[in-house]
Amino acid sequence: EIVLTQSPTTMAASPGEKVTITCRASSSVSYMHWFQQKSGTSPKPWIYDTSKLASGVPDRFSGSGSGTSYSLTISSMEAEDAATYYCLQRSSYPLTFGSGTKLEIK
Amino acid sequence: EVQLVESGGGLVQPGRSLKLSCAASGFTFSNYYMAWVRQAPKKGLEWVATISTSGSRTYYPDSVKGRFTISRDNAKSSLYLQMNSLKSEDTATYYCARPNFDYWGQGVMVTVSS
Repeated sequence: EIVLTQSPTTMAASPGEKVTITCRASSSVSYMHWFQQKSGTSPKPWIYDTSKLASGVPDRFSGSGSGTSYSLTISSMEAEDAATYYCLQRSSYPLTFGSGTKLEIK
Repeated sequence: EVQLVESGGGLVQPGRSLKLSCAASGFTFSNYYMAWVRQAPKKGLEWVATISTSGSRTYYPDSVKGRFTISRDNAKSSLYLQMNSLKSEDTATYYCARPNFDYWGQGVMVTVSS
């Protein structure tokens, strides 16, 4: 099983601040996928195939990485970006999610 | 418009069974693998099952293998999750999703408690 370790677990950022969330895999994966979830709602696809933004995602978001190390970056934090973000690997079964990063606005 | 609508959740006693359904519309259901994902209260996401287009291949994590069965009816554009021998740790919101997780249902709550 590929374990995904996200960091940080929680963080708070000020408007305009750059934010980076990392996801490390216990074994190499081909791609990483990211989801945004706000309280009481279903997860939304956010970044797929490591660096492609899902429909409607602002271009202040970006994704990068390879092998066992991946990241999601927000170039300039906005209030609407406050949410929990999860990474997912679909390279091998069992599919696994990271434990999530709760991002809050200062 | 793609829609996935789950149903069948509720309160069930430990050791009992429950069957979830997911009605799909807005896409050619029979062309897609489908999946179930769950989320325990205030916890993270956990993949539960995936099924191939024909239903001939199914995949599960160890946490539910042997207790849960995913199935589908392509004629009805419906996905199912039969959950047997339920445990308190199965308490969660269950989502159905397309295999790329580009579309998710609204989720259905399952509570396992005596």
